[in-house]
Parts: sequence; C-alpha cells; structure tokens
Amino acid sequence: QKEVEQDPGPLSVPEGAIVSLNCTYSNSAFQYFMWYRQYSRKGPELLMYTYSSGNKEDGRFTAQVDKSSKYISLFIRDSQPSDSATYLCAMAPLGGYNKLIFGAGTRLAVHP
Amino acid sequence: EAQVTQNPRYLITVTGKKLTVTCSQNMNHEYMSWYRQDPGLGLRQIYYSMNVEVTDKGDVPEGYKVSRKEKRNFPLILESPSPNQTSLYFCASRPGTGSYEQYFGPGTRLTVT
Repeated sequence: QKEVEQDPGPLSVPEGAIVSLNCTYSNSAFQYFMWYRQYSRKGPELLMYTYSSGNKEDGRFTAQVDKSSKYISLFIRDSQPSDSATYLCAMAPLGGYNKLIFGAGTRLAVHP
Repeated sequence: EAQVTQNPRYLITVTGKKLTVTCSQNMNHEYMSWYRQDPGLGLRQIYYSMNVEVTDKGDVPEGYKVSRKEKRNFPLILESPSPNQTSLYFCASRPGTGSYEQYFGPGTRLTVT
C-alpha cells in the first residue's frame, strides 16, 4: 500500500465550478502537508502548505487537513482555465525535510 | 531571476551509454535533490544533498550517482543507463533546515532504448 494515495483523474469541470482535490495517507507521523501545482512541461511549484490539522485559505484556494481521518483536501473556488494543471499533494513528518512523500497527482482540466 | 536550471531538457540514449544531467541553482540553497516522476507513481526521490560534499540516498537510488562539489551544482550521473530508467527527472533545491518548500527545475525527459 502506498503511503499517499491520490486519485489520478482526469477531472474535467466547467469554468466557475468549485473543485475538490483529495489525498489520503497512512503514516500518522505526517505533520506538514503541501499542495504543488504542475503545468504541462514544467516543474511542480508550491501552491500551499499547512501544518497539522485545520484550514488555510489563500485567495481562491483552501487547503484542509483532517488528521483523524488521514485525509487532506484542496478546494478551488471559481475555477479558471488557467487552473488546468496536475495537482500533487505532498507530506512529511516533523523535521522530515528530506522525507517528502508525494501523491501521484490529479490532472485537472477547466474548460471555458 | 531565482531559478533551478537543468540540462538537457530532452535526451534519448541507448542502454549502457553513460550520461550526466546537470542541475544548477542561483538561490544559494543548501539542499538539493533529484526526483524521478513516473505515471501512477508520482515523484520519488533519488538522492539528496545537504551541502557541498554531503549526499545521501533517497527512495530509489539504484543505478544513479550524484556529486556536490559546488553549492550551486548537483549533477545526476547514470553510468550504465537501462530502459527502466526512462522517466521524467526533476532537480529541486530548498533553503535549509526549517523549510519544506522545494523549488523545482523544468525537468529532463530521458528515454533509454
């Protein structure tokens, strides 16, 4: 069983929709949770990160962590065609700066 | 512009022919890593380096070598490439202890025939 599971999609939504992207994990030691966005033919770039449980909001993006369920989510409000990309979740234990574990990524397409 | 650069971006080679993929960062970051990205498997760490002359294995180090002789450069060496090393490779760097944020290069698509 993989430590981090992520539905690969693809997920196709109309412009303006609310998008929910999710990851589940098995290692209860994970404390730092990140979302990376990867455009086609580019390297991943950090979108958001949260420590432990709770929500974090940044513009149209909200990251949510539920440690009791070992489940993290990224919500995108008012989705735009420019949001079309692959979204990777990543997580690490406390102090595990070199032990980042990535999900396989979910491909999102937002059509006008 | 702060960035991580990789060369070449695309490479097709044959089994057994040694190759090097270069990586350079201009952000004075201490930590650098190499990842490979395969469909359904996500990003997996090959090697990482905490500073000059300090390297350690990641999750999938077999068949790869690295060196860190200068802070800005971290080349990935495949001494005898095999078809199962066909993949998309990313170099990444991060500032140091206390930071989880990795800055990725644009990727190198390697095909070994």
